[in-house]
Parts: sequence; C-alpha cells; structure tokens
Amino acid sequence: DTAVSQTPKYLVTQMGNDKSIKCEQNLGHDTMYWYKQDSKKFLKIMFSYNNKELIINETVPNRFSPKSPDKAHLNLHINSLELGDSAVYFCASSYNPRFTEAFFGQGTRLTVV
Amino acid sequence: GENVEQHPSTLSVQEGDSAVIKCTYSDSASNYFPWYKQELGKRPQLIIDIRSNVGEKKDQRIAVTLNKTAKHFSLHITETQPEDSAVYFCAATPLTGGGNKLTFGTGTQLKVEL
Repeated sequence: DTAVSQTPKYLVTQMGNDKSIKCEQNLGHDTMYWYKQDSKKFLKIMFSYNNKELIINETVPNRFSPKSPDKAHLNLHINSLELGDSAVYFCASSYNPRFTEAFFGQGTRLTVV
Repeated sequence: GENVEQHPSTLSVQEGDSAVIKCTYSDSASNYFPWYKQELGKRPQLIIDIRSNVGEKKDQRIAVTLNKTAKHFSLHITETQPEDSAVYFCAATPLTGGGNKLTFGTGTQLKVEL
C-alpha cells in the first residue's frame, strides 16, 4: 500500500501552460506539505496544510496555488508555467504539525520546455 | 527564519570506513533534527532523528549527536556499505505556532567505494 502517492510522476509541458499535481495520503495524517527540489537537490518547503487549513506559505509565486479538499489530499496547481519551475515536487505528510516524521511521496518531475 | 548549513557536499569513503556529516543551524528555538536519506531517483526517507532534550541517539550503524550550545548536529555512519551511497539531508524545525517547517541542509552526496 502506497502511503503518500502523487500523480503524475513525470510532467512535461510548455511555458505558459497551467498544470496540476495531485497528492493523496492514506496514513490518517493531519498535516500535508509541498516541497520543491531543484536541480542542485536543494529541498525547500512551499506550503503546509493542517486539517485542510493553510499554516505555512513560503515566498512562493502566487502562480502556485495549493488546494486541500480534505485532510487526505493536497493538490498543487501551477498557472502560467515558466522554465524556472522545472524541478521535482514532493508531497509529504506527517501525523501532526510538530516534531514528527514527514513521509514523502515519490515526487513529480516537472519539465517546462 | 531558520538556516541550516551542511558539510561536506560530497564525501567518498572506502567500504567499512566511517562517514561523518555535519550540520549547523541558526534558530535556537529549533528542537527537532531529522536526517533523511535520498537514493537516486527516489523519495527522501527518514533514517534517524533527535530531539533537543537528547545529546545522542544511535540505531545500529547510524548515530546522531547534538550540541545545542554550539547549534551543531552530526550524522555518523560506521562500517559503511555500498548501499549507504545516497544523498543525506539534515533538517531542523523551530518551535512555531504554525507547525512543522522543516528547513533542510543542502545535502551530502555520500559514495561508498568497494
């Protein structure tokens, strides 16, 4: 059973397009996150939701909009894609917002051409 | 905000040798320090973590030490094996009302050579 699953695994799209990445966790966790990993492997948090409520919003362009329809899902929608958005996007979840292991999804490799 | 520095960026060791990766953090309010291992093309996975009320924690060949005064923490891998080859990330999270905001180090590419 996959604990944190993301779709799609690979996404190739043209500049200016709008795309979404979906994430679901079946661990019963309250908190979900989106991380971006750039070409140098640097992992940076983008958003964090706790029980569908946004609790962390880093300095991410407003072209990125997370949506959490329920606490098991956190989707990421990206408008007007740019070349610099190319990266691996990881969804993660944890039992509660503090001091607990974050379980990562397998990642979505986004390539903007 | 929190800033985590990690060294070295690459580390090559011979199989059976020990490997040490060091991190420093800036926010004295941080009190949870996990280490993640990421194999090529895979997701990061937690290998060990430590909380600020503990100075050292060990799990088989892996140990982590924490010096809160100096804001240092380190990962120690003994008797390294080829399957230990991966990128290792340290992380820290401060005490915030807003929740767990893991700030990661820049990663260490560990290569264990036969």
